[in-house]
Amino acid sequence: SYELSQPPSVSVSPGQTATITCSGDRLADKYACWYQQKPGQSPVLVIYQDTKRPSEIPERYSGSNSGNTATLTISETQALDEADYYCQAWDSNTWVFGGGTKLTVL
Amino acid sequence: EVRLVESGGGLVQPGGSLRLSCAATGFSFSDYDMHWVRQAAGKGLEWVSEIDSNGDTYYPDSVKGRFTVSRENGKNSLYLQINSLRADDTAVYYCARDGGVSTRYLDYWGQGTLVTVSS
Repeated sequence: SYELSQPPSVSVSPGQTATITCSGDRLADKYACWYQQKPGQSPVLVIYQDTKRPSEIPERYSGSNSGNTATLTISETQALDEADYYCQAWDSNTWVFGGGTKLTVL
Repeated sequence: EVRLVESGGGLVQPGGSLRLSCAATGFSFSDYDMHWVRQAAGKGLEWVSEIDSNGDTYYPDSVKGRFTVSRENGKNSLYLQINSLRADDTAVYYCARDGGVSTRYLDYWGQGTLVTVSS
């Protein structure tokens, strides 16, 4: 079965750029998307189809997907960006989520 | 405004059954594939079912045979029947809307309903 791997945690200083990776076999052949989840809240889509951003998501959020790795980049990181982030892809009629990355802004 | 509201969660004994519901408003429900995703406390997201706009269903191997997803377009409602409940089914269950044909992302999520399996 297909698997996606994420680092459990990433730390970033306010105002700096946060980078969260998601690895899977030939991931670039599939669409990757990213969800943000804050404590006690439902997931929110922040990036879809590798690079697209829903209209309500700030331009600071961007995505890329190449080779075996999809990347979520958050520029000018703010305290409100602190959350869990999950990547997701589709493979053979199965929806797969990465294990999630806790982003800490400190 | 798209809105998804889950209900039907609660405390169930091991081996029991439960039917979750999701009421959808603000979009043409019949045109969209719909999903259920669960999350155990402190854990990650796990996809557990999909029903497409034609009524075809899909499940991961981990729940196949115990979970049944269905929809009632006339009532703009999505359902998840869970049988032979086990302790590891304890989780918040979210319904989510598929972004569109072949889009492979979930653009709207409900607030979730908690299922607790315990004696």
